[in-house]
Amino acid sequence: EVQLVESGGGLVQPGGSLRLSCAASRFTFTSYWMSWVRQAPGKGLEWVANINQDGSEKYYMDSVKGRFTISRDNAKNSLYLQINSLRGEDTAVYYCARARTSGRDYFGMDVWGQGTTVTVSS
Amino acid sequence: DIQMTQSPSSLSASVGDRVTITCRASQSISSYLNWYQQKPGKAPKLLIFAASSLQSGVPSRFSGSGSGTDFTLTISSLQPEDFATYYCQQSYSIPQTFGQGTKVEIK
Repeated sequence: EVQLVESGGGLVQPGGSLRLSCAASRFTFTSYWMSWVRQAPGKGLEWVANINQDGSEKYYMDSVKGRFTISRDNAKNSLYLQINSLRGEDTAVYYCARARTSGRDYFGMDVWGQGTTVTVSS
Repeated sequence: DIQMTQSPSSLSASVGDRVTITCRASQSISSYLNWYQQKPGKAPKLLIFAASSLQSGVPSRFSGSGSGTDFTLTISSLQPEDFATYYCQQSYSIPQTFGQGTKVEIK
């Protein structure tokens, strides 16, 4: 079964950092764009970042630009999100997801991990 | 940024009912509209992509329609396992944006 498994979440103080990881299995990781999406407690879904197949293209939501970095290691079938200068509003479940694409057309996210929780609090 | 507005925010329905959820984009997004289902404590699940294409493994009672700015998700006969929150998402431009969600509850 195609699978994504996130890890790396936790409790961190404001201004702190975390590195989230997402391990992919049972699909050709190098063929897919990948994404991070987050969900604050009791709130809706919020797209965070995208990365293309070889890591040469990266896109971010405005509020995380300069603080978050998406990356991937294709040799390890892994996706990462380095999150720095954390704020209370970054508290959320962070999901990694596989993008459904055709060429440069993006058609949603068809495989999701179970999520990892980031809590920013002093 | 493109704003996505869903209506209603919540609805109550009975098993067997036909349910319709709408999603409106603040500007034209062609057919770059996707629908997800999310149950409490679980990850979202892709139901419909490109406005009207059914994701593999999703029951045929789910259907999507629309283009431009107005889109619809229809559940033809609501089943007990369909009680959940539904989100639309535009993938036309960055930042990709989601609607605020529609919670479908049991009447």
